[in-house]
Amino acid sequence: DAGITQSPRHKVTETGTPVTLRCHQTENHRYMYWYRQDPGHGLRLIHYSYGVKDTDKGEVSDGYSVSRSKTEDFLLTLESATSSQTSVYFCAISGGVNTEAFFGQGTRLTVV
Amino acid sequence: GDSVTQMEGPVTLSEEACLTINCTYTATGYPSLFWYVQYPGEGLQLLLKATKADDKGSNKGFEATYRKETTSFHLEKGSVQVSDSAVYFCALRFGNEKLTFGTGTRLTIIP
Repeated sequence: DAGITQSPRHKVTETGTPVTLRCHQTENHRYMYWYRQDPGHGLRLIHYSYGVKDTDKGEVSDGYSVSRSKTEDFLLTLESATSSQTSVYFCAISGGVNTEAFFGQGTRLTVV
Repeated sequence: GDSVTQMEGPVTLSEEACLTINCTYTATGYPSLFWYVQYPGEGLQLLLKATKADDKGSNKGFEATYRKETTSFHLEKGSVQVSDSAVYFCALRFGNEKLTFGTGTRLTIIP
């Protein structure tokens, strides 16, 4: 299994609070991604990174920010959590062009 | 933009039945194509892949052939088992771009 660790695995937070999810990899892969999974929508890309300090928006980036200060870590921040951000969040990594992505175990976030 | 359309679920089959889950894509050019599987409470795992037209990906008895003419990548298995119960996702990727996923198909196999 690819070395990807997401933390925390579960979190319940209140509306309006900031939340940071962490993705840590030990594979030295260049590309890292944050997806959210919701019933009926499959997986939708939030943000991705193609190198240290190089990030870009995905299709559902509003309300989210990311940072990548080291190759191995990719942080996803919800600046002010809303109930619509209740979801399962997956981190993925990929080594190169046209290659597959490897996924973490996911973080279940509930905003109450 | 690029998109993936998957067969609507859920799909329920008896053990040892034949399986086909349809997947078609819309893209400019020739992406790499993937099938992922997600077991309950887990992340996605790569099941198989194909990177060019007419390639056949296979793994664990599952197969899918990259059909450029019909822009399809249907997932097939000749005899399913209870342990195949999961959600299956078709996906595509161009170069170093993001993976684009279909909405997933939930498969349940009844003993």
